[in-house]
Amino acid sequence: QVTLRESGPALVKPTQTLTLTCTFSGFSLSTSGMCVSWIRQPPGKALEWLALIDWDDDKYYSTSLKTRLTISKDTSKNQVVLTMTNMDPVDTATYYCARHRSELSSPGWFDYWGQGTLVTVSS
Amino acid sequence: DIQMTQSPSSVSASVGDRVTITCRASQGISSWLAWYQQKPGKAPKLLIYAASSLQSGVPSRFSGSGSGTDFTLTISSLQPEDFATYYCQQANSFPTFGQGTKVEIK
Repeated sequence: QVTLRESGPALVKPTQTLTLTCTFSGFSLSTSGMCVSWIRQPPGKALEWLALIDWDDDKYYSTSLKTRLTISKDTSKNQVVLTMTNMDPVDTATYYCARHRSELSSPGWFDYWGQGTLVTVSS
Repeated sequence: DIQMTQSPSSVSASVGDRVTITCRASQGISSWLAWYQQKPGKAPKLLIYAASSLQSGVPSRFSGSGSGTDFTLTISSLQPEDFATYYCQQANSFPTFGQGTKVEIK
């Protein structure tokens, strides 16, 4: 059974750095083609992909946010960590991690998602 | 980045109605398209992948079609549990999502 769970602070102050952890089970991020992404959704708005890390430790970032994001993995702990620097109130959103499998040059589709964690940016 | 445009942004429908949602990509994406359903307070759920393949466990009243730049999600007979927001996602390059279509009770 595949599960993912996000954890991290519910509240961060402007200019602070956000660190989120995705802890997963039921699959291995060492398996060829396997990937984990972070996706966010501001209240009442659409989904926005942020970053992905794959089985080969390749990392890809949203063009608009790449200067602020870092993604990493700890395969032994089955965890993927996302850091986002210089947080602003507009970054208030529910942050999801999701599993997908790349095929050919495509990142594929998100077949399993965590329940999401709401992060509020406010002083 | 590839832009995804969904229409309509919302639709009011009754139980039993046929509902069609469209998604247009800003450039050709072959069949690299997925559809998700999201209910309030919940994570999105994968319904359709590769434009027309039904994810395991998803009812057959959901279907997808299209290739290139124009895609469609159809719900053949709307059920009470189908009232939700639907998103398309392109997987031809770094993922991008449409802005969502809310299916509301008429």
